[in-house]
Amino acid sequence: DVKVTQSSRYLVKRTGEKVFLECVQDMDHENMFWYRQDPGLGLRLIYFSYDVKMKEKGDIPEGYSVSREKKERFSLILESASTNQTSMYLCASSKQTGGRETQYFGPGTRLLVL
Amino acid sequence: TQLLEQSPQFLSIQEGENLTVYCNSSSVFSSLQWYRQEPGEGPVLLVTVVTGGEVKKLKRLTFQFGDARKDSSLHITAAQPGDTGLYLCAGVGSVRWGKLQFGAGTQVVVTP
Repeated sequence: DVKVTQSSRYLVKRTGEKVFLECVQDMDHENMFWYRQDPGLGLRLIYFSYDVKMKEKGDIPEGYSVSREKKERFSLILESASTNQTSMYLCASSKQTGGRETQYFGPGTRLLVL
Repeated sequence: TQLLEQSPQFLSIQEGENLTVYCNSSSVFSSLQWYRQEPGEGPVLLVTVVTGGEVKKLKRLTFQFGDARKDSSLHITAAQPGDTGLYLCAGVGSVRWGKLQFGAGTQVVVTP
């Protein structure tokens, strides 16, 4: 059974803190993605990675960075958390099949920045 | 960025009724996917439509891709409480990396 796991379901952080969100997939997928989900806005892509140590900016990369040192793990970093980064963060992975990939999602991390 | 608009934003119906959710764009997509997300979980893929005019059925769910590959619809027949969830359409914009452009979603609530 395919599985994408995220390190925390809920996180509460203070403004200015450095925040790490971890995502691990066990499907040997090449692609990994980080989204944030806000009511009325749907899922917006923050960053994605198509290979180890490779990363590409998505639609809203400002205030975030990512790291992919191993194929199965993709980390999202909030360098200095701000209240407008309070959101649900979803990680996904997919196999490279030329545009018809299924993205498999983790359960999400709900982050509250105070 | 290719935008996908979903309508309605919210739909509340009684068990046994039918419903239709729409997904529209001004852009052409190589393919389009529908996901369902239940509370506390990530989205799960329901279907991928690829060919203009294509119709796919998944039990009581019928998915249609517009002829011009710019719009899609999801029709649920005889809705059940288990159909409750957030329905998201997603267009495949980047064939190379499988990047998806998501709509804002339609929240469907089916009451017994």
